Amino acid sequence: ETGVTQSPTHLIKTRGQQVTLRCSSQSGHNTVSWYQQALGQGPQFIFQYYREEENGRGNFPPRFSGLQFPNYSSELNVNALELDDSALYLCASSLKDTEKLFFGSGTQLSVL
Amino acid sequence: DAKTTQPPSMDCAEGRAANLPCNHSTISGNEYVYWYRQIHSQGPQYIIHGLKNNETNEMASLIITEDRKSSTLILPHATLRDTAVYYCIVRVGQAGTALIFGKGTTLSVSS
Repeated sequence: ETGVTQSPTHLIKTRGQQVTLRCSSQSGHNTVSWYQQALGQGPQFIFQYYREEENGRGNFPPRFSGLQFPNYSSELNVNALELDDSALYLCASSLKDTEKLFFGSGTQLSVL
Repeated sequence: DAKTTQPPSMDCAEGRAANLPCNHSTISGNEYVYWYRQIHSQGPQYIIHGLKNNETNEMASLIITEDRKSSTLILPHATLRDTAVYYCIVRVGQAGTALIFGKGTTLSVSS
């Protein structure tokens, strides 16, 4: 158990719809990162938030956006869903300037 | 792209040591070597990291060659619960930088 919880665990959406995924960080952690993991691949970095601001971003289009709240929980929003967005979405929390990331178990998103 | 090369799969007998190799020939002087593992249906789990000295913790040992171009993760007494995908990652030791995962090594531990 890492103390990082994600909801929902599974989700089915239709192409073109919008989705919001949620993450509750481990207590005391002020940094949250989001990763996308396609089947059979390693996780790919989407972005990171620190103090409610984006602090780094991977090679993902603007329709992937995020929020971090004052209690350090976070949301990942994806607009105009595409079939290729089907993947496991992982949230990881950490303390800034530390080396370890603590991952949640992810949200499995299926886009039909 | 990932800066590391790992074998796609390895097998290990329960109770034996599992030695997982990783090549990172283009590693820079300020890049650390990290190991994470991902058990089926879970998120990745941090195992260990190091810069140039060998490191040991309660989970594993990390041996880094003197030229830092390769490393080996050692699980001293593998159990069935160590069956997972193991990722070797090089990363600048600075907050805010992402972990760049490759495809990792699938370790299968059998009795």
